[in-house]
Amino acid sequence: QSALTQPASVSGSPGQSITISCTGTSSDVGGYNYVSWYQQHPGKAPKVMIYDVNKRPSGVSNRFSGSKSGNTASLTISGLQAEDEADYYCSSYRSGNTYVFGTGTKVTVL
Amino acid sequence: EVQLVESGGGLVQPGGSLRLSCAASGFTFSSYWMHWVRQAPGKGLVWVSLINSDGSTTSYADSVKGRFTISRDNAKNTLYLQMHTLRAEDTAVYYCARVISFSCFDPWGQGSLVTVSS
Repeated sequence: QSALTQPASVSGSPGQSITISCTGTSSDVGGYNYVSWYQQHPGKAPKVMIYDVNKRPSGVSNRFSGSKSGNTASLTISGLQAEDEADYYCSSYRSGNTYVFGTGTKVTVL
Repeated sequence: EVQLVESGGGLVQPGGSLRLSCAASGFTFSSYWMHWVRQAPGKGLVWVSLINSDGSTTSYADSVKGRFTISRDNAKNTLYLQMHTLRAEDTAVYYCARVISFSCFDPWGQGSLVTVSS
């Protein structure tokens, strides 16, 4: 069960926008609108930022947005802030009643 | 406040067994699917297992199938992960998470560290 592919790192200056990609297959990302994104600060539990491709839970900043095209999902963080520095993971439902996470992306605010 | 608290982690020898618990509070536990997700030290998140609201449906990652069993006691508001034949590669922090809207894992517990070593 191979993980979804994410870039190892992405960086940006405060105020800029960055986009993290998450590439899977037609059996997961491309086949279902069940992609979610999680933010994890060091030593902390993950926190959901986006679910069902582009829905934002209550309390999550509207600077976070999600999208999907084919087998690739994306998370965009606009107006980058110091507090956004963290690891980000995508996740998708995969056929066979299983789930899969991405390899993770370290976001650095320069 | 919605809360999940894991317990039961610790040091176990290769080939040994361990049972993790996840105590839920602040919501109607019996109405939600639940998952276990693990994270090896310094590594990424890996999905482990899921169980539906009444315990009649379960699913596992290939890496733990046949060795791990997920279960729940809705009367005690508790989720379990029974782990057998543990290997060094099972060393990780194990998180439980509630499922909302199929793809939304929220919230997550604080995690329970399992170390498999001789």
